[in-house]
Amino acid sequence: SYVLTQPPSVSVAPGKTARITCEGDSIVAYSVHWYQQRPGQAPVLVIYYDSDRPSGIPERFSGSNSGDTATLTINRVEAGDGADYYCQVWDDSSDHPVFGGGTKLTVL
Amino acid sequence: QVQLQQSGPGLVKASQTLSLTCAISGDAISNNGVAWNWIRQSPSRGLEWLGRAYYRSKWHIDYAASVNRRLTISPDTSKNQFSLQLNSVTPEDTAVYFCARDSPAYCSGGNCYGHYFDQWGQGTLVTVSS
Repeated sequence: SYVLTQPPSVSVAPGKTARITCEGDSIVAYSVHWYQQRPGQAPVLVIYYDSDRPSGIPERFSGSNSGDTATLTINRVEAGDGADYYCQVWDDSSDHPVFGGGTKLTVL
Repeated sequence: QVQLQQSGPGLVKASQTLSLTCAISGDAISNNGVAWNWIRQSPSRGLEWLGRAYYRSKWHIDYAASVNRRLTISPDTSKNQFSLQLNSVTPEDTAVYFCARDSPAYCSGGNCYGHYFDQWGQGTLVTVSS
């Protein structure tokens, strides 16, 4: 089955840029989606279809997808961006979703 | 806006049945452009998709292989809700359970692809006691 690999943690200073990666074999062939999850809350969609933002998500959040790596980029990081972030694709061969293991973003 | 409201017990005894319900507002469960999912989250398994129900002229139900023989997902059009029943639970089934709506990223040639979860319930922590 398809596997998505994320770094367990990323740290960034306020005002800087955070980049969270999601690796998968030829992931460029998939639509990659990203979720933010704060402690005790449900995940919230922040990027879908590689780089589209749902309404209400700040422009500071962006996504890209190339080769074997998809990337969630958060510009001008704020303290409130500290959370767990998950990538997800839909494996059309099994017709099931696949989630990455998640990355904890720490704002220093 | 779409809201998903979960209900159900937070404590289940081992070998018994875990039952949860997800009530939908702001959308119809029979919307033929989306699907209704159950997902759980635990420290050991991360986010784990369990199954989904969707209506395309008739109801379709899909299950993850890991729970296939124990899980039943049931849509209820009269109440605009869907439910999860997981039989023969063990402590390994202890997790936070979420219901979620999925939508396709794009459609082509009558098929849709790249589904993502755009609406989530609040989550229910279910503990299975041994």
